[in-house]
Amino acid sequence: EDQVTQSPEALRLQEGESSSLNCSYTVSGLRGLFWYRQDPGKGPEFLFTLYSAGEEKEKERLKATLTKKESFLHITAPKPEDSATYLCAVQARNYGQNFVFGPGTRLSVLP
Amino acid sequence: EPEVTQTPSHQVTQMGQEVILRCVPISNHLYFYWYRQILGQKVEFLVSFYNNEISEKSEIFDDQFSVERPDGSNFTLKIRSTKLEDSAMYFCASGELGNTIYFGEGSWLTVV
Repeated sequence: EDQVTQSPEALRLQEGESSSLNCSYTVSGLRGLFWYRQDPGKGPEFLFTLYSAGEEKEKERLKATLTKKESFLHITAPKPEDSATYLCAVQARNYGQNFVFGPGTRLSVLP
Repeated sequence: EPEVTQTPSHQVTQMGQEVILRCVPISNHLYFYWYRQILGQKVEFLVSFYNNEISEKSEIFDDQFSVERPDGSNFTLKIRSTKLEDSAMYFCASGELGNTIYFGEGSWLTVV
């Protein structure tokens, strides 16, 4: 079964049009939820780590939040350079040291 | 800023040949990982390595795969007899216990 899902699969925004990406997870004993950005042909680039429900982290135009079932990555006034695939990953007690990735959301920001 | 480095960036190999992918993790990290990503698909866990031994491995990591930390800095993934379906981007990652892991830029393996 899918334990980490992301929606939408793809998202097209106009420059300056704010939106949110969703990561839902069904695991027990969450140790951490991680957001990465991946450009085509490149490795995942770390953005945020969230450890407990209610936690929020912010960096430039991005803000990540966490509840007991899901995380949101809010993008405020995006620019074309924010275009990338955004991945979330979870680490949980029953996974050991493994990080389980969602399928990603492919974001395109049009000028 | 410390980073994970991987070589080669791209390798083309004949089916049945052995391949070694190399990684230099971030120097003070203790946990090392290999992940792979088939084109257009999810990032998938292969194996984690701690204290000079495999700590976990996935179903993908069968007998044709092996990992090694031959010295204090390198971490390698060997595929003994490559198959067409091994064509993928292979990512090395490193991290500390219970903390974020950082990825290299990947080694793109094409099996022909």
